[in-house]
Amino acid sequence: AQKVTQAQTEISVVEKEDVTLDCVYETRDTTYYLFWYKQPPSGELVFLIRRNSFDEQNEISGRYSWNFQKSTSSFNFTITASQVVDSAVYFCALSELTTGTASKLTFGTGTRLQVTL
Amino acid sequence: DAGITQSPRHKVTETGTPVTLRCHQTENHRYMYWYRQDPGHGLRLIHYSYGVKDTDKGEVSDGYSVSRSKTEDFLLTLESATSSQTSVYFCAIRESGTGVNTEAFFGQGTRLTVV
Repeated sequence: AQKVTQAQTEISVVEKEDVTLDCVYETRDTTYYLFWYKQPPSGELVFLIRRNSFDEQNEISGRYSWNFQKSTSSFNFTITASQVVDSAVYFCALSELTTGTASKLTFGTGTRLQVTL
Repeated sequence: DAGITQSPRHKVTETGTPVTLRCHQTENHRYMYWYRQDPGHGLRLIHYSYGVKDTDKGEVSDGYSVSRSKTEDFLLTLESATSSQTSVYFCAIRESGTGVNTEAFFGQGTRLTVV
């Protein structure tokens, strides 16, 4: 069964600090996809990134970067020079190929990031 | 923004009453999902659908049923609401294909309070 663990419940940083959000996953599949979502205080869920299991290249998008390591089953998310607007709950999610015709999207419990001035 | 609308956005109901939440999409996506969000639990899958009249259970399906008679609508029913079902409910849609590689788009959420 697929499982996603986000061990960090809450992280507090001061603006301009770098912060890494951890995500560890479990799957029996060789083909799967990993996702990160952001949930700001307004409550909506915003898609950030998708990564497939065959692509271990790190990805950078502005101040955001993602480190995917199959060897440790991790897909960590780093925010460089954090800003107050980064304050949100961040979710990691996993989707497997072999769950049948309807692929389940399994989420971690989320990490609440608080960025203060 | 993905065309996905949840209704109602807020609801207060009494214990023991049936409640139906509606998710409506204009994207013609094949896959639709209902999640509940609770503190400390993240998003947990209740039920999902992979086509009209094709649905399956998620990890927290007890006390809930769903129906999908049209591609665009996915209904979640609490058969007899209990206080433990007080939560924020999110509907999500995903494009067709294998349904594995596409991201999900979420509705705005429905805050349900059972008193």
